[in-house]
Amino acid sequence: AQSVTQLDSQVPVFEEAPVELRCNYSSSVSVYLFWYVQYPNQGLQLLLKYLSGSTLVKGINGFEAEFNKSQTSFHLRKPSVHISDTAEYFCAVKAQDYNTDKLIFGTGTRLQVFP
Amino acid sequence: GAVVSQHPSRVICKSGTSVKIECRSLDFQATTMFWYRQFPKQSLMLMATSNEGSKATYEQGVEKDKFLINHASLTLSTLTVTSAHPEDSSFYICSAATGYEAFFGQGTRLTVV
Repeated sequence: AQSVTQLDSQVPVFEEAPVELRCNYSSSVSVYLFWYVQYPNQGLQLLLKYLSGSTLVKGINGFEAEFNKSQTSFHLRKPSVHISDTAEYFCAVKAQDYNTDKLIFGTGTRLQVFP
Repeated sequence: GAVVSQHPSRVICKSGTSVKIECRSLDFQATTMFWYRQFPKQSLMLMATSNEGSKATYEQGVEKDKFLINHASLTLSTLTVTSAHPEDSSFYICSAATGYEAFFGQGTRLTVV
């Protein structure tokens, strides 16, 4: 089974400052990793994903994440945030197993960007 | 990217009535569709997984008779909340999977009064 831990429930930050949202996972098999963003009263939008290859993954809106297998982490970063980045961010994992398509989500991190 | 359309976006219904929510993959065929429920300021809770032409697989604790799922085609799945009560009020999100990725609908805000 897989599990995802997002240690920070809320991250306040000023506009144009850098930000890191932390994600750690647990799994007995190899996994695919995802970050999603959710704006109020909307569904989830994929920010980026790690399937294989380079451990540094670049996504939309200037976000990037680095897969660290030894630390079982997939932290999300942005060098300079905007007010419009205020949203809920979810880390998710999926087992590399053709028998399941389930995504396991973390509890989410609320990013609040202040002017 | 692929588009998943969920309808309606908001619905208010009276206690005891049933509500149907549709989830369509517009430009791809989804091998699997998922239904989630999200409580305020919480993560997504998987309710059930459905594959076209077969019965849905419900997560533990989810009432099959209350949350009816029909997956009629590779592009359409529906969730019917039967005999809705105020405690069923929530944000429901569908997801359609193809290959490695899952794509999400816009969500449906259900309010039962």
